[in-house]
Amino acid sequence: AQKVTQAQTEISVVEKEDVTLDCVYETRDTTYYLFWYKQPPSGELVFLIRRNSFDEQNEISGRYSWNFQKSTSSFNFTITASQVVDSAVYFCALRETSGSRLTFGEGTQLTVNP
Amino acid sequence: ETGVTQTPRHLVMGMTNKKSLKCEQHLGHNAMYWYKQSAKKPLELMFVYSLEERVENNSVPSRFSPECPNSSHLFLHLHTLQPEDSALYLCASTQFLQGTGSYNEQFFGPGTRLTVL
Repeated sequence: AQKVTQAQTEISVVEKEDVTLDCVYETRDTTYYLFWYKQPPSGELVFLIRRNSFDEQNEISGRYSWNFQKSTSSFNFTITASQVVDSAVYFCALRETSGSRLTFGEGTQLTVNP
Repeated sequence: ETGVTQTPRHLVMGMTNKKSLKCEQHLGHNAMYWYKQSAKKPLELMFVYSLEERVENNSVPSRFSPECPNSSHLFLHLHTLQPEDSALYLCASTQFLQGTGSYNEQFFGPGTRLTVL
């Protein structure tokens, strides 16, 4: 069975601080995909990144970066120089390579205060 | 319209009412999903349609009935709901790659906030 754990229920930071959102996953599959989604107050989940289990290279996109460590089954997400607009719930998710189903973590509510 | 749209955005209904939620995707995808998001719970997958056929039915009560008339539209028909069915219902779409049997990332609509009185 697959499982995604986001141990941080809520995080509150002050603008311009760096913040890391943790994600730990469990799967018996040897190949799988990992995802991060952002859910602002409007409700829509916004796709941020997809990572294949074969590709452990870290990725940076502007102020966002992702650290994938297969050895610890973690896929952490860091926001550098956070902004108020980053306030949202962030979900980590896992999907086996050939499956249609996404397994979501419980989400981390990030609040960035001015 | 672009992306994935859902109507209505908000719905209040009594337990004896019948209503339908509508989802439309403008991305040319061939797979669509219904999720339920309740307060303080992870997203729960309800149904998956791929190439207009239902491929997953995640033990959802029969008072929820999905319909996928074509690859761009997905409905969720509701009848005799319970107050605990109050939640945000999210629709998503993606591309199923027939050559590899795999799915791309999902794109979500804004959701329908449902309140059952």
